[in-house]
Amino acid sequence: EAGVAQSPRYKIIEKRQSVAFWCNPISGHATLYWYQQILGQGPKLLIQFQNNGVVDDSQLPKDRFSAERLKGVDSTLKIQPAKLEDSAVYLCASSLSGGPQETQYFGPGTRLLVL
Amino acid sequence: GNSVTQMEGPVTLSEEAFLTINCTYTATGYPSLFWYVQYPGEGLQLLLKATKADDKGSNKGFEATYRKETTSFHLEKGSVQVSDSAVYFCALRGGGYQKVTFGTGTKLQVIP
Repeated sequence: EAGVAQSPRYKIIEKRQSVAFWCNPISGHATLYWYQQILGQGPKLLIQFQNNGVVDDSQLPKDRFSAERLKGVDSTLKIQPAKLEDSAVYLCASSLSGGPQETQYFGPGTRLLVL
Repeated sequence: GNSVTQMEGPVTLSEEAFLTINCTYTATGYPSLFWYVQYPGEGLQLLLKATKADDKGSNKGFEATYRKETTSFHLEKGSVQVSDSAVYFCALRGGGYQKVTFGTGTKLQVIP
């Protein structure tokens, strides 16, 4: 079974530029999550999708971050414009249906450096 | 709100030593508890989980018991190996579609 795929793996941009990350979850998984992991901290949920609907985006900085999952499969996360403090690893995860006891499967992450 | 507190690292142990990484939590209701591991250069992967009080999760020689009376989920392993060197995250998730709350992670380094 293929795992969660993410691209790119690394990205370096200057502040005020825009950037986009892509995620393809495990086939058949209805729930998709984007996390931000700042160095030395645990992952923080940015947004959770159930199919193509948003379940939780309470911690997404909506003035600069956006995410979509138009067909309920793959997803993109965009930052525009980027700030220095956005430097982090962006993790995508998926689970079968989003239940509280379910395992979330994580992708390898995209490491973003904003200069 | 929900929160997870885990011991700060780094933790450095010799091979075959006993490992304990402490984790305590604050949550309403009956959350599910998880330990995730992140090996160098890789994404997080589930190590073990427990979904109700007194459950013991186990995997790869690691164990953790869901203690509701002490709100703890400490990770233990009887004999660590160099290959166990990684960052370990304790996490919880409440009922419904509540988000997962992660601790800050504990880096384990095992030396030969």
